[in-house]
Amino acid sequence: DAKTTQPNSMESNEEEPVHLPCNHSTISGTDYIHWYRQLPSQGPEYVIHGLTSNVNNRMASLAIAEDRKSSTLILHRATLRDAAVYYCILPPLNYGGSQGNLIFGKGTKLSVKP
Amino acid sequence: NAGVMQNPRHLVRRRGQEARLRCSPMKGHSHVYWYRQLPEEGLKFMVYLQKENIIDESGMPKERFSAEFPKEGPSILRIQQVVRGDSAAYFCASRGSVRGNTIYFGEGSWLTVV
Repeated sequence: DAKTTQPNSMESNEEEPVHLPCNHSTISGTDYIHWYRQLPSQGPEYVIHGLTSNVNNRMASLAIAEDRKSSTLILHRATLRDAAVYYCILPPLNYGGSQGNLIFGKGTKLSVKP
Repeated sequence: NAGVMQNPRHLVRRRGQEARLRCSPMKGHSHVYWYRQLPEEGLKFMVYLQKENIIDESGMPKERFSAEFPKEGPSILRIQQVVRGDSAAYFCASRGSVRGNTIYFGEGSWLTVV
């Protein structure tokens, strides 16, 4: 499975944009990039995913580098509720098949200051 | 955490007792995953099930743990003769039948063994 590297922690001020980086230099051409987040005492929450093009949804934007070796999750205006651990995950090639589970690393712990 | 229901949310068991954790997947989802998160640690895959079948149990401890997803009713994660080291948050996730569908998580069941 392709490996991802994320900073252990980041800080942001409330109502400012946050850019959470993820490196995945061994990504293959068919690997999707998924982002999940986990708020304290809650289950992981799907945020966004993409393959090649930048993606936007109501929660965030995902910017994918042209060579796909890195990506950035963008929270346009951080709120206190966005304080969580953010995981960048490349599901295995047979995702959805016989071993379709997600493999979580340590993620980035985002702190948001009021 | 749209629609994956787990219960109980919190469970206290004495050493040696049995713990049963239930998971009702999102409507229309026939694939269920169980993850465990030990205190201050990351999420670890345990088992992946489809209706009436265990597809991948490579993350399940060899003894005392079992899982099922019957044709009718919720998926059950069963822990026999619990020990203090079983104290953790157990998360269930589900997805639809199309390969690559997004996986959605429940709020978790927190097991405390006293």
